[in-house]
Amino acid sequence: AQTVTQSQPEMSVQEAETVTLSCTYDTSESNYYLFWYKQPPSRQMILVIRQEAYKQQNATENRFSVNFQKAAKSFSLKISDSQLGDTAMYFCAFTKNNAGNMLTFGGGTRLMVKP
Amino acid sequence: NAGVTQTPKFQVLKTGQSMTLQCAQDMNHEYMSWYRQDPGMGLRLIHYSVGAGITDQGEVPNGYNVSRSTTEDFPLRLLSAAPSQTSVYFCASSYSPATNEKLFFGSGTQLSVL
Repeated sequence: AQTVTQSQPEMSVQEAETVTLSCTYDTSESNYYLFWYKQPPSRQMILVIRQEAYKQQNATENRFSVNFQKAAKSFSLKISDSQLGDTAMYFCAFTKNNAGNMLTFGGGTRLMVKP
Repeated sequence: NAGVTQTPKFQVLKTGQSMTLQCAQDMNHEYMSWYRQDPGMGLRLIHYSVGAGITDQGEVPNGYNVSRSTTEDFPLRLLSAAPSQTSVYFCASSYSPATNEKLFFGSGTQLSVL
């Protein structure tokens, strides 16, 4: 079974600064997908970024980028130029290849962006 | 498009009561699923369906039933609610179950069992 661990329950960052959220996972699979989801106070789940394990290049979406270290089973999310609207819960998630969309989520990191 | 619609948004039950959480999507998605969200534990998969008439168990299926009679609807039934089922429930769907397509989430149902 896969496990996903987010070791930082809460973090805070000043507006316009950069913050990195950590995620580690455990799997015996060689091909899989990793995700970061954002959950603002509205409770809506929003896909932030996705990484395919067989791709060496780290995924980037505007101010959001990941540092994917396959050997270390680490998948951190970097948010640059933090904005007040980035305040939310962030969940790291894993699914193995050809497993449909059966996601395994981490426990989440609550991020507060301060003005 | 409405996307994934969950009703109700909030519900309070007494122990032993039954209820059905509704989930409907208008995107002709084959794959639908239910997750529960508890503090510190993220989201955990309860049940999923890869098409009408086909359902299977996820990580935490005990105490919940599902059925998929149409492509659009995937209701989650609690036959005898317990306080341990107090949680926020999310329905999610995607176009295909065979690949890792983008999941579309509903806005959640907050359930309290007293």
